Amino acid sequence: RKEVEQDPGPFNVPEGATVAFNCTYSNSASQSFFWYRQDCRKEPKLLMSVYSSGNEDGRFTAQLNRASQYISLLIRDSKLSDSATYLCVPKDTGGFKTIFGAGTRLFVKA
Amino acid sequence: DVKVTQSSRYLVKRTGEKVFLECVQDMDHENMFWYRQDPGLGLRLIYFSYDVKMKEKGDIPEGYSVSREKKERFSLILESASTNQTSMYLCASSSGQGSGKLFFGSGTQLSVL
Repeated sequence: RKEVEQDPGPFNVPEGATVAFNCTYSNSASQSFFWYRQDCRKEPKLLMSVYSSGNEDGRFTAQLNRASQYISLLIRDSKLSDSATYLCVPKDTGGFKTIFGAGTRLFVKA
Repeated sequence: DVKVTQSSRYLVKRTGEKVFLECVQDMDHENMFWYRQDPGLGLRLIYFSYDVKMKEKGDIPEGYSVSREKKERFSLILESASTNQTSMYLCASSSGQGSGKLFFGSGTQLSVL
């Protein structure tokens, strides 16, 4: 089993839609979780951190389910500018190594 | 503003050449990383370093080596470039142990012919 698994998509949604992605992780020692956003031909940038059950930042909500070992990212009222690849990063507190999921591609259309 | 700078945006090399990719960060971060990114495979960790002169293998270290002589600089070396090393190379840095907050450079697209 891969350390981090994400549905590659692509997810094609209209503007204003609500969309959710899941990410499953295999390392039960993971304590903190991160979502990164990567625009086409650009570097990944941190979008959100999740340390407990969840986190909300404007239109973005990240939720954590430790029992089932997955995190989700919910985007409400999608904008054209949300089109990107979203990368999941589960992190164990004691380690330096940082492993990324392969990403989920989102296309938001007018 | 925090910054991770990679020396080249695009690089074209020939098979068998020795290739140096340089990365410099100005955030006084302890940890630095080299990833490669290929379509469908996502980001794969090549090497990382958590201190000067310290290095650890990532998931795909074969064919690569690294050097960290100064805290701010982390170099990736392809001893003898091969066509299967054509890829986007991304450098990143972070502070502290266990942090998942990485800052990335803008990447180097390397083509090996």
